[in-house]
Amino acid sequence: QSVLTQPPSASGTPGQRVTISCSGSSSNIGSNTVNWYQQLPGTAPKLLIYSNNQRPSGVPDRFSGSKSGTSASLAISGLQSEDEADYYCAAWDDSLNGHVVFGGGTKLTVL
Amino acid sequence: EVQLVESGGGLVKPGGSLRLSCAASGFTFSNAWMSWVRQAPGKGLEWVGRIKSKTDGGTTDYAAPVKGRFTISRDDSKNTLYLQMNSLKTEDTAVYYCTTEGWFGELSLDYWGQGTLVTVSS
Repeated sequence: QSVLTQPPSASGTPGQRVTISCSGSSSNIGSNTVNWYQQLPGTAPKLLIYSNNQRPSGVPDRFSGSKSGTSASLAISGLQSEDEADYYCAAWDDSLNGHVVFGGGTKLTVL
Repeated sequence: EVQLVESGGGLVKPGGSLRLSCAASGFTFSNAWMSWVRQAPGKGLEWVGRIKSKTDGGTTDYAAPVKGRFTISRDDSKNTLYLQMNSLKTEDTAVYYCTTEGWFGELSLDYWGQGTLVTVSS
């Protein structure tokens, strides 16, 4: 069981907006920032969003992140076929002496 | 350009040992905190542990499932990160990634290698 909770799957049609949720607790999301990772099929994960809502250079602004309390969300607008991937949230957990904890991942399907 | 290249994976019997390496280039390795993350076949990501830069103490942290069995070390003169894995179990079977840590945000795993597969089986 993952420390952070994500829905196992999500889907949308091209051009649509989809959101992926990530639920945690006061010791992780509630007191630390959230990062999101994208893993395209057969490749290594890549940092997509850091510090709740910041994008590394090169990440399209179609991707956005937010955090409220002990939950976070990743939103993808103008969905494209190349967005089909697994998405993981992660945060630092104070109760685990600063260990990184991940969500179980959400498989996004573009219909 | 940041590059991380893992090596050393393979097939090992339960109870055996293996050492993974991660060759880094394109950045000042000695200043970087580094982490290992693994992914069992068809499963999600699991943080394994980290090593801080020597200027930040060079200390290590480990996830509970590997603490006492795995050791992370670094050779800054060779720009190389290591993961020594002892007393391996079948549940350690996974692709192991090395990553940089904390460049962009709080403990963000910024850059990832391509991974190396470790299979623990009799």
